[in-house]
Amino acid sequence: GESVGLHLPTLSVQEGDNSIINCAYSNSASDYFIWYKQESGKGPQFIIDIRSNMDKRQGQRVTVLLNKTVKHLSLQIAATQPGDSAVYFCAEKNTGFQKLVFGTGTRLLVSP
Amino acid sequence: DAGITQSPRYKITETGRQVTLMCHQTWSHSYMFWYRQDLGHGLRLIYYSAAADITDKGEVPDGYVVSRSKTENFPLTLESATRSQTSVYFCASSDLRTVSYEQYFGPGTRLTVT
Repeated sequence: GESVGLHLPTLSVQEGDNSIINCAYSNSASDYFIWYKQESGKGPQFIIDIRSNMDKRQGQRVTVLLNKTVKHLSLQIAATQPGDSAVYFCAEKNTGFQKLVFGTGTRLLVSP
Repeated sequence: DAGITQSPRYKITETGRQVTLMCHQTWSHSYMFWYRQDLGHGLRLIYYSAAADITDKGEVPDGYVVSRSKTENFPLTLESATRSQTSVYFCASSDLRTVSYEQYFGPGTRLTVT
């Protein structure tokens, strides 16, 4: 699709495996983080978010982990399904601002 | 519930022409955003708006103009299109009334400048 390209890091997994997508963020003042999923030809869709006063948050089949010490964010997807194949973006929000700053994305490929 | 829509979905224009991309949201969200998405760059913020008649520059505003006379509409104009503006453009909105900073994205407009 038009939203993905040759330069994206790619994670390939088998259906049923657990997937971990990592993201390094840049600003220690960021107070909110969010993960989006983007399927080919579509706009990004919200997956899960987390505030800086938390280190873990769980949703349905997804978990976000936040390590502020090393400025690292991860998205864990349990029992990955072919429908999870997409590009995943993390984004951070700086304190006092409404804007999000997006990472470049990771492509997840799930094989049946 | 229409949500957030963008038009046109696809547009081909020539260098030097003016083109306007439309964005409409039905939620009365206060914030609206325009991003461009290019290979290797992810989503980059062009302009955003905190409310009607309030707009501000993002990371890559040069060559673009926005306006917001009504809360629900946020058009993006390329005054004199260049080939470097070939991209996929996404509009998004967010609601200050919630505790989340989630942005809701439209389906995108693929713009090709020849």
